[in-house]
Amino acid sequence: DVKVTQSSRYLVKRTGEKVFLECVQDMDHENMFWYRQDPGLGLRLIYFSYDVKMKEKGDIPEGYSVSREKKERFSLILESASTNQTSMYLCASSRQGRSGGLGNEQFFGPGTRLTVL
Amino acid sequence: KQEVTQIPAALSVPEGENLVLNCSFTDSAIYNLQWFRQDPGKGLTSLLLIQSSQREQTSGRLNASLDKSSGRSTLYIAASQPGDSATYLCAVRLWPGNTPLVFGKGTRLSVIA
Repeated sequence: DVKVTQSSRYLVKRTGEKVFLECVQDMDHENMFWYRQDPGLGLRLIYFSYDVKMKEKGDIPEGYSVSREKKERFSLILESASTNQTSMYLCASSRQGRSGGLGNEQFFGPGTRLTVL
Repeated sequence: KQEVTQIPAALSVPEGENLVLNCSFTDSAIYNLQWFRQDPGKGLTSLLLIQSSQREQTSGRLNASLDKSSGRSTLYIAASQPGDSATYLCAVRLWPGNTPLVFGKGTRLSVIA
């Protein structure tokens, strides 16, 4: 079974802190994704990566950065946390499609509930 | 821009009923469509993936159909159980498959014993 793990289920941080959210997958997937999920807004894509050291902006990258130094690990960084970044953060991964790209079944981690005070 | 809509936003049914969840999308040039289940406070669990060339996929009591020309997919759940209570989300990926999934906001299902 595909397994995507996230470093914390719950996290409480203070405004201005630097926050690291870690995601690890064990299926050698090329593609990895970070989303946030908020009531009424659904899932929104923050960043994704289709290879080591590669990253692409999603719909809402402002206030976030990412790092992918190893294939299995994709980190989301909040450089200076703010209260409007309080949310559920979800990581996902997928195998690259036949012709490259992001086209295969996507698997999600359990989520990290981040509260910024 | 692709938009994915799921109606209704919430649904409550008695145990044992067969039910259909709906998903519609505005751009029919999709690469594939994926259905997920999400329990409260948890991540998403992949249920079914339908490629653009397929009409349906089945897994146990679940059957998902795809009609690209009309921009619709349905998730059929047979003999519903209280354990099926969750939010169900559909997501589509546009052709040629090198773009991220676009998600609907989900249908929250409650199955009453």
